[in-house]
Amino acid sequence: GQQLNQSPQSMFIQEGEDVSMNCTSSSIFNTWLWYKQDPGEGPVLLIALYKAGELTSNGRLTAQFGITRKDSFLNISASIPSDVGIYFCAGPAPQGGSEKLVFGKGTKLTVNP
Amino acid sequence: DAGVIQSPRHEVTEMGQEVTLRCKPISGHDYLFWYRQTMMRGLELLIYFNNNVPIDDSGMPEDRFSAKMPNASFSTLKIQPSEPRDSAVYFCASSFTNGNTIYFGEGSWLTVV
Repeated sequence: GQQLNQSPQSMFIQEGEDVSMNCTSSSIFNTWLWYKQDPGEGPVLLIALYKAGELTSNGRLTAQFGITRKDSFLNISASIPSDVGIYFCAGPAPQGGSEKLVFGKGTKLTVNP
Repeated sequence: DAGVIQSPRHEVTEMGQEVTLRCKPISGHDYLFWYRQTMMRGLELLIYFNNNVPIDDSGMPEDRFSAKMPNASFSTLKIQPSEPRDSAVYFCASSFTNGNTIYFGEGSWLTVV
């Protein structure tokens, strides 16, 4: 099936540092979504991107829809302990309807106070 | 507003037993999804419904798994008989028509021993 490749798999950073992670695919996506999963909870949508080149912010988070439409990036500025969790990229499965999402395997973020 | 509600939150069962996981989607949502999350495979879509009708069950691992949606406010995922490799977190999610913003429940953490 369609795969979204996320990197890095995990990150260990100090509070206050900036974070960058990305997601790539061999297929073109028309929508990129970024979710965060807190420990013991379900994923929650952070940012949705609908247009190639689009740059969208949500507080300290900024995400970009790559111009090739095969990648997306998520940046977190001035990290804080509550940023800990797993960050997933997702998009509509190319072979399915727009409602069928595929997810990357996630980037696990640890923030040391 | 209540989010997606799943039960049980945690279940430990013996191999061979039947497991039933339950989900109440967000009121008014017409799509319902069942995902499974494991360390090895990440988030996998098992099956999804639109207006209570199963649309795509290609992710259901085998005949031991079945899902139903008898009405717009209730769905079940059943495993019979359960096996240790079924141990995972099972998420229910729901969305409006375009499905891009899907809302996850808190998950059912299943352990089969």
